[in-house]
Amino acid sequence: DTGVSQNPRHKITKRGQNVTFRCDPISEHNRLYWYRQTLGQGPEFLTYFQNEAQLEKSRLLSDRFSAERPKGSFSTLEIQRTEQGDSAMYLCASSIRSGFLSSGNTIYFGEGSWLTVV
Amino acid sequence: KQEVTQIPAALSVPEGENLVLNCSFTDSAIYNLQWFRQDPGKGLTSLLLIQSSQREQTSGRLNASLDKSSGRSTLYIAASQPGDSATYLCAVRPESNTGKLIFGQGTTLQVKP
Repeated sequence: DTGVSQNPRHKITKRGQNVTFRCDPISEHNRLYWYRQTLGQGPEFLTYFQNEAQLEKSRLLSDRFSAERPKGSFSTLEIQRTEQGDSAMYLCASSIRSGFLSSGNTIYFGEGSWLTVV
Repeated sequence: KQEVTQIPAALSVPEGENLVLNCSFTDSAIYNLQWFRQDPGKGLTSLLLIQSSQREQTSGRLNASLDKSSGRSTLYIAASQPGDSATYLCAVRPESNTGKLIFGQGTTLQVKP
């Protein structure tokens, strides 16, 4: 088990460009989450999937943001027409949905993908 | 709307001290509460998870307590070490168990040798 993997770790892009981040969750974790974190703040929820279904989206996720998890394994988060306000760390996390195992409710985070929009 | 607050925002202690980090939340309808550690520029590492029916959890020098009715949790760190220096975040999962976590802003801890 290699943990939650995110790529790329760092991305610098010009305003107006599109960027895509990839997340590979812990194997067999059926829930996958995306969060955004700016300096000095706690992470803010963006969206989450259970298997391939996107079950909840935050109002923070504007029309320029789209997330997919096509086969219930890895996920991508795309930001179109980036703006300077999109500069942040994008965190992916995963967990197993289980009502029986307390350890299964723990959410595990990746190392994050830093986005800088210039 | 659930809000999570962590006090203090920053804390500096000499090595060897025992310390307590505080977390409060406005809505007691939570499924569980999780404490995380975050090193600068890094992701989050889960430390302890407390189910809503539990009062505390322990791991090594860490002990987390939960008083759901009063909307409070504490993270106790015994015999602090310079390696404990990091930002500590608490997060609650709503009772609906959607999986969404609501985070506090964190407490940045510095342990001086």
